[in-house]
Amino acid sequence: DQQVKQNSPSLSVQEGRISILNCDYTNSMFDYFLWYKKYPAEGPTFLISISSIKDKNEDGRFTVFLNKSAKHLSLHIVPSQPGDSAVYFCAASAQVGATGNQFYFGTGTSLTVIP
Amino acid sequence: DAGVIQSPRHEVTEMGQEVTLRCKPISGHNSLFWYRQTMMRGLELLIYFNNNVPIDDSGMPEDRFSAKMPNASFSTLKIQPSEPRDSAVYFCASSITGGYGYTFGSGTRLTVV
Repeated sequence: DQQVKQNSPSLSVQEGRISILNCDYTNSMFDYFLWYKKYPAEGPTFLISISSIKDKNEDGRFTVFLNKSAKHLSLHIVPSQPGDSAVYFCAASAQVGATGNQFYFGTGTSLTVIP
Repeated sequence: DAGVIQSPRHEVTEMGQEVTLRCKPISGHNSLFWYRQTMMRGLELLIYFNNNVPIDDSGMPEDRFSAKMPNASFSTLKIQPSEPRDSAVYFCASSITGGYGYTFGSGTRLTVV
């Protein structure tokens, strides 16, 4: 079962507008969330994170919002740029102790920013 | 730092053949993860190691899949025998234990014909 879900496989946005990517999770034990960005033929790279003690984290044009009661998070990109065109993965983790923690990933959303 | 190094970048093999994927984690990272990317399931965790010890292999799809980490700087993922449905991109990632996030390699695109 997918514990992290990204229900929109793709999204197209005009350059300069806002991109909103959504992610839902089912495990209430998840306490740390990440967004990764992936270009073709490359591995995913870390973009932004948020801890469950916060409901918002901002880094430049990127903001992640967390709604714990709804088990939902979203990534906002403002303004969107053509270079933002990539696949975005949402990931969630619950601390499992000294042996490390594993992240569960969604299926990804392919964002296309139209110039 | 060269990052996480995976080899080969591409592998095409015939059904029934053995395939070995390789990974060199970032020096100092003591957790290593093997993921498989498919359209249906996204990034699916196959197995992860902590201090060279397999911690969770529940994601390994079948006995045809096996993974080893003989030392802190090298891991392999083996498929024997390979099947067409194993075709996917396989990623290796590493992190510091308890660290917040992974560093991924560039992946190995496996095609089984």
